[in-house]
Amino acid sequence: SQKIEQNSEALNIQEGKTATLTCNYTNYSPAYLQWYRQDPGRGPVFLLLIRENEKEKRKERLKVTFDTTLKQSLFHITASQPADSATYLCALMDSSYKLIFGSGTRLLVRP
Amino acid sequence: SAVISQKPSRDICQRGTSLTIQCQVDSQVTMMFWYRQQPGQSLTLIATANQGSEATYESGFVIDKFPISRPNLTFSTLTVSNMSPEDSSIYLCSVRGHRETTEAFFGQGTRLTVV
Repeated sequence: SQKIEQNSEALNIQEGKTATLTCNYTNYSPAYLQWYRQDPGRGPVFLLLIRENEKEKRKERLKVTFDTTLKQSLFHITASQPADSATYLCALMDSSYKLIFGSGTRLLVRP
Repeated sequence: SAVISQKPSRDICQRGTSLTIQCQVDSQVTMMFWYRQQPGQSLTLIATANQGSEATYESGFVIDKFPISRPNLTFSTLTVSNMSPEDSSIYLCSVRGHRETTEAFFGQGTRLTVV
């Protein structure tokens, strides 16, 4: 069956460090992968989309990589700040154009 | 972009009753979806709300339990029927364009507690 996996354990890092979150998938061949941020009591907010022919995508302090051989995407936040504390979700579009989400990883940035 | 108003934002309901959640979008959108998010879990797609026709339900979700209406391109409702405590969850409305590369926009969610 198709599966999207993210580390369920919270990631706890010191302010200023780089946070790296992982998204692994099986039984998909996605052309695109998306990352979202979700704060408590809010709906997810889109951050970045990366295509299968793009190895890396950047937006300000965010960087996403996409390795279709490993079936993995890495999401990096450089120079992390306490305001970056949230849950980060990766999402893939399945063959029916429905967006399927991973379980999310909670990031906590300590001041 | 799209701005989504979802209401109610939260409710506490008695088991056996039904709750209807409304989703209003500030622009016409092709695709509208309903998700459920149980505590500490990811989003699970319930159904795709189709304008002018019946919704398309995902495995494990049925129309009798989660009837959906979509009378036009800016509005949809999801009803949670004959509720039990297992229905306690956050319900989220989402929209996006029909191109593969378009991002999804979400309402703030409805936190439902069934007692």
